[in-house]
Amino acid sequence: GNSVTQMEGPVTLSEEAFLTINCTYTATGYPSLFWYVQYPGEGLQLLLKATKADDKGSNKGFEATYRKETTSFHLEKGSVQVSDSAVYFCALLNTGFQKLVFGTGTRLLVSP
Amino acid sequence: NAGVMQNPRHLVRRRGQEARLRCSPMKGHSHVYWYRQLPEEGLKFMVYLQKENIIDESGMPKERFSAEFPKEGPSILRIQQVVRGDSAAYFCASQPGRAGNTIYFGEGSWLTVV
Repeated sequence: GNSVTQMEGPVTLSEEAFLTINCTYTATGYPSLFWYVQYPGEGLQLLLKATKADDKGSNKGFEATYRKETTSFHLEKGSVQVSDSAVYFCALLNTGFQKLVFGTGTRLLVSP
Repeated sequence: NAGVMQNPRHLVRRRGQEARLRCSPMKGHSHVYWYRQLPEEGLKFMVYLQKENIIDESGMPKERFSAEFPKEGPSILRIQQVVRGDSAAYFCASQPGRAGNTIYFGEGSWLTVV
C-alpha cells in the first residue's frame, strides 16, 4: 500500500542553522510528493511539491528533491528562522487512489 | 479567489449532541476531502466526495459519521451523538476535477466534546 514515514520530532535548532527533515515513502506507481506546513492553531499550507522523479520543489528557502531510487523526499533549508517553527507534513498523492497520504508530522522549534 | 472555507472554526458540543461541520471548496473545485487530526497526531483520511457522490469513505467510522456534498451548497460532515474521542481538528480540502492536481486545505474546524 501507500505510506509515508517521517523522522520523529521535535527538531530543535538555533536560528540560521541548517535544517533537514527526512521523509521516505512506499507507493505503487508514480506518486506526486508534497510538503505541507501547519503553524500553531492553523490549517495546512502547501509548502512545495514535486510530481516526478528528480524534480526539485522549492519555496520560501525550503527545497526537496524527489528521489525515486531512494524513495525519499527530504525537506531542507539552509538557514532557518524563528518564524519557521511549525509542524511539517510530508505527503504523497497516488493518482490511482486519489487521496493524500500523510506522514505523522515533524515539529520544528527554532530558537533565537 | 477565496480559499477553502470551513465553519465553524471552533465548536463545543456536549456528549450525545450532534456536530455539523461545513466546507465550501475553492471556486471551480468539484472534489472535496475530509481529514481528521487527533491531538498530537497526523492527518487521517476520512472521506472523498464529488458533487452528489461519495467516492471513497474508507476512512469514515462506520457509525455516527456521515458526509455529503450536494449539488448546491457546501459539503457537510455530520457527527451524531458525539463522544469525547471525537474531539479533534477536522480539515476539509478541495481539488479541481482533474486527477493529480494539488489539494488545498481549509483552516480546519476544531471540535471539542465536553
